Amino acid sequence: DAKTTQPNSMESNEEEPVHLPCNHSTISGTDYIHWYRQLPSQGPEYVIHGLTSNVNNRMASLAIAEDRKSSTLILHRATLRDAAVYYCILIKAAGNKLTFGGGTRVLVKP
Amino acid sequence: DVKVTQSSRYLVKRTGEKVFLECVQDMDHENMFWYRQDPGLGLRLIYFSYDVKMKEKGDIPEGYSVSREKKERFSLILESASTNQTSMYLCASKLMTVRAYGYTFGSGTRLTVV
Repeated sequence: DAKTTQPNSMESNEEEPVHLPCNHSTISGTDYIHWYRQLPSQGPEYVIHGLTSNVNNRMASLAIAEDRKSSTLILHRATLRDAAVYYCILIKAAGNKLTFGGGTRVLVKP
Repeated sequence: DVKVTQSSRYLVKRTGEKVFLECVQDMDHENMFWYRQDPGLGLRLIYFSYDVKMKEKGDIPEGYSVSREKKERFSLILESASTNQTSMYLCASKLMTVRAYGYTFGSGTRLTVV
């Protein structure tokens, strides 16, 4: 399975944008790039996913490098409720298994 | 809002007890999963099901079994609970499709075996 690499932690001020990088240099052509986040004592929550093109939804934006070897999750205006561990994972189109790495712990300061 | 509901948030059981963890989803998803999450080990897949009465072993099925009698319900059974099964258990579901749609997770059940 292709692996992802993320920084252990990041800090941001409230209402500022947060850019969370993810490296996935061994990504294959059938891998979708997914992002999930997990708040303390909660199950993971789906944030966004993409294949080749940049994606936007109400929670975040996903910018995917042209060679697909890296991606960046963008939280446009961080709030205190965005403090969580964010996981970048690769999922095959017909895949049934999630492999979560260590993720990035995001701290939002008021 | 669509949901995956796990029957208990916290559970304490004694060693040797048979434990049932229930999961219900209201999204008509074909695929359902049971994971456990432990510090430093990430999520590990225990079992998954891609249809009623169908099940597949994940990476760590030993000591567990599952049941899927109805599409919306997927149960995890600890046949004889042991202390090393103390963990956070997460149920998830997703559509069975060639596109990699997102998974929906339940809130988790934190099980302590004493």
